[in-house]
Amino acid sequence: QVQLQQSGPGLVKPSQTLSLTCAISGDSVSSNSAVWNWIRQSPSRGLEWLGRTYYRSKWYNDYAVSVKSRIIINPDTSKNQFSLQLNSVTPEDTAVYYCARVGIGYYFDSWGQGTLVTVSS
Amino acid sequence: QSALTQPASVSGSPGQSITISCTGTSSDVGVYKYVSWYQEHPGKAPRLMIYDVSNRPSGISNRFSGSKSGNTASLTISGVQAEDEADYFCSSYTRSSTWVFGGGTKLTVL
Repeated sequence: QVQLQQSGPGLVKPSQTLSLTCAISGDSVSSNSAVWNWIRQSPSRGLEWLGRTYYRSKWYNDYAVSVKSRIIINPDTSKNQFSLQLNSVTPEDTAVYYCARVGIGYYFDSWGQGTLVTVSS
Repeated sequence: QSALTQPASVSGSPGQSITISCTGTSSDVGVYKYVSWYQEHPGKAPRLMIYDVSNRPSGISNRFSGSKSGNTASLTISGVQAEDEADYFCSSYTRSSTWVFGGGTKLTVL
């Protein structure tokens, strides 16, 4: 059974960088079939897919157009985890952030517990 | 503003059937069979209930079923129970190789 454990600060100042980590157990970040995603949920924007990282003989990343200029998702094979960096945050980035796995198919079969990140000075 | 449209709330008495709709476009719900549904209780991680429009993962009650017609997908809960009270949201893979979500529907069991 795959488990995802999120960690990271719950408060970030405007213009700074939001950083979260998702530790994986029960699977490998280097899996040739899984896709590792970040998703956020806020009252104003609803649920929003932010981006993904996956390994298919080499590493790939894809990002949502809405955050493409500010986001980096990185795998960390030594710790079997992946991370989210969102730069130049504003209060609009206040949301609950989730990491999630896509296994075989096009659906999210495992989710992290969610992290409420508030952007405020 | 969510990409997929769901009713904000639905309600039903125990034993009744309820249906939650999820309307998208020909670029997401209408083009693929890759619609999924999730249950979310406050403070907990979302749980996959239906994938590929109508398939149930192992361990999900057969009271939950899914369907799709054109650009609208639906989740039906037959014989709703108190434990089903939660938020439900839909998701679809898109032509752009991304995912979109519904705004979520709060199910109240009366």
